[in-house]
Amino acid sequence: AQTVTQSQPEMSVQEAETVTLSCTYDTSESDYYLFWYKQPPSRQMILVIRQEAYKQQNATENRFSVNFQKAAKSFSLKISDSQLGDAAMYFCAYEHENEKLTFGTGTRLTIIP
Amino acid sequence: DAGVTQSPTHLIKTRGQQVTLRCSPKSGHDTVSWYQQALGQGPQFIFQYYEEEERQRGNFPDRFSGHQFPNYSSELNVNALLLGDSALYLCASSILAGAYEQYFGPGTRLTVT
Repeated sequence: AQTVTQSQPEMSVQEAETVTLSCTYDTSESDYYLFWYKQPPSRQMILVIRQEAYKQQNATENRFSVNFQKAAKSFSLKISDSQLGDAAMYFCAYEHENEKLTFGTGTRLTIIP
Repeated sequence: DAGVTQSPTHLIKTRGQQVTLRCSPKSGHDTVSWYQQALGQGPQFIFQYYEEEERQRGNFPDRFSGHQFPNYSSELNVNALLLGDSALYLCASSILAGAYEQYFGPGTRLTVT
């Protein structure tokens, strides 16, 4: 069974600085998708970024980028120029063949003004 | 373009009662997945519906059942409610043959007393 591990329950960063959230996963599949979702206090789960396992190039979306290490089964999220609106729970998730999403336990990110 | 909608927003039920939660998928989406998110945890997969059939199921008892209608909307039913069923219930929609991204609704907060 696939598992997703987020070892940082909480992180904090100064506004405008850079922060990296860690995620590791376990799977026997070679083709899959990885995601980072953001869940603010409003509860809405918002997709931040996704990575396809067969693509070696790391995904980027504006201030958000990932460091995908397939052999190490590591998928970290880097947030540059942190903004107050980035404060939220961040969940790493795994998906294979459009089946269920398997989530980690989340990292609560606090932005310090 | 309306995103994923869920109703009701909040619900309070008594132990032993039954509850029905509803979800309308994003326009153009044909697949609906349901997740349970306990306080402070990541979402856990309940089941997924496609073409009005349950396509896959997570590790939840038979008290949890669902349905998908011809217009792709979906219901989650929980019978014989337990205190432990108190959680945020999230609905996500996607296109089965698509890019594997699941879009989430705002959730229904169920409290069982």
